[in-house]
Amino acid sequence: AQRVTQPEKLLSVFKGAPVELKCNYSYSGSPELFWYVQYSRQRLQLLLRHISRESIKGFTADLNKGETSFHLKKPFAQEEDSAMYYCALSLLPYSGAGSYQLTFGKGTKLSVIP
Amino acid sequence: ETGVTQTPRHLVMGMTNKKSLKCEQHLGHNAMYWYKQSAKKPLELMFVYSLEERVENNSVPSRFSPECPNSSHLFLHLHTLQPEDSALYLCASSQVRETGGEKLFFGSGTQLSVL
Repeated sequence: AQRVTQPEKLLSVFKGAPVELKCNYSYSGSPELFWYVQYSRQRLQLLLRHISRESIKGFTADLNKGETSFHLKKPFAQEEDSAMYYCALSLLPYSGAGSYQLTFGKGTKLSVIP
Repeated sequence: ETGVTQTPRHLVMGMTNKKSLKCEQHLGHNAMYWYKQSAKKPLELMFVYSLEERVENNSVPSRFSPECPNSSHLFLHLHTLQPEDSALYLCASSQVRETGGEKLFFGSGTQLSVL
């Protein structure tokens, strides 16, 4: 079965410092990886997905199949980045059965210190 | 409100009560989900309704019963819950495609407390 591990429950960095939120996964096939974010008093929302290879709010994440990792990075942290971050995995190839499941990690709380 | 709407926002119930959580999506999606978010566990998928097919997590107790009358509405019926069922219950929707997973849009959740 697939599993997503976020080793850090809490990560504190100073404003302007680089940020790396770690995510490792275990899955024998080809996964699709996502980062979801939950800001204070807001709903959980998608931040980025590896298949899009995009940068959102200065965050990037590269899928490393050799290390089975999908770490989230930002070169300069901002106070508004403080939030709960969840790494998630879905399975490829798509089952075609009309269902699609995401497996989430436990999340990392990022705190950016002014 | 656009997006995914969940009601009620908060619910306190006794172990013998019967209550229902409601979710409505205004995004035209074809899949809806119930997730459970507990303090010490990752988000747990409970149920999926997708293309009129229900995919059920085998570990969900029968005291949780989902209902999806149409593609826009999803209910979670609760009966004789236990205190350990206290959690944030999140509804989500997505557009399921054969080419791969699509992003989930989440509701704000129902914070459930079982006394």
